Amino acid sequence: AQKITQTQPGMFVQEKEAVTLDCTYDTSDPSYGLFWYKQPSSGEMIFLIYQGSYDQQNATEGRYSLNFQKARKSANLVISASQLGDSAMYFCAMRESNSGSARQLTFGSGTQLTVLP
Amino acid sequence: GAVVSQHPSRVICKSGTSVKIECRSLDFQATTMFWYRQFPKQSLMLMATSNEGSKATYEQGVEKDKFLINHASLTLSTLTVTSAHPEDSSFYICSATSGGSYEQYFGPGTRLTVT
Repeated sequence: AQKITQTQPGMFVQEKEAVTLDCTYDTSDPSYGLFWYKQPSSGEMIFLIYQGSYDQQNATEGRYSLNFQKARKSANLVISASQLGDSAMYFCAMRESNSGSARQLTFGSGTQLTVLP
Repeated sequence: GAVVSQHPSRVICKSGTSVKIECRSLDFQATTMFWYRQFPKQSLMLMATSNEGSKATYEQGVEKDKFLINHASLTLSTLTVTSAHPEDSSFYICSATSGGSYEQYFGPGTRLTVT
């Protein structure tokens, strides 16, 4: 079974609108962390936001917020007031505590977001 | 913030030659470094995990004799693609973690083209 599932290969959003990128995960580990990364065409991986499994509140970082629904095992990324520079590939990732000291990340397949002017 | 560099950013080599890619943590000590491979329009696939001073742990299906990883110091890990073939052409990205941080810091990546 896929540990991280991103069902939207591509998404379009109008500039200044909000957009939600979906991510569901599968783990039996009670302690885990969820990450979102942005990868523009240059290839660098840009860390956006982190949510720990025990965090009571949804994480927010500027225009990024994570809609964490633990029972549904979903961790959707919400980008508010989209900008043209937000056009990129977005990856959801998970680290389980049973990855031990290695802190390995498992990535989803990604969503290509295009912001339209 | 923590910075990870990779060198070279792009490399073209002939089939049969070896290529070394360096990954450096510039302002922190990286206890663990990771090497990923990414094909166009696809996700990052973990190749191996390396801890300073010990042998790398390779993911299933990754040939350790072909992809040599050395993590000789707390700031440097190298990936050597030996006897490269065109199918090894890919984007290689490293990342690093330190101590108790939950975050992985990624390098800018190296685009390898084997002709």
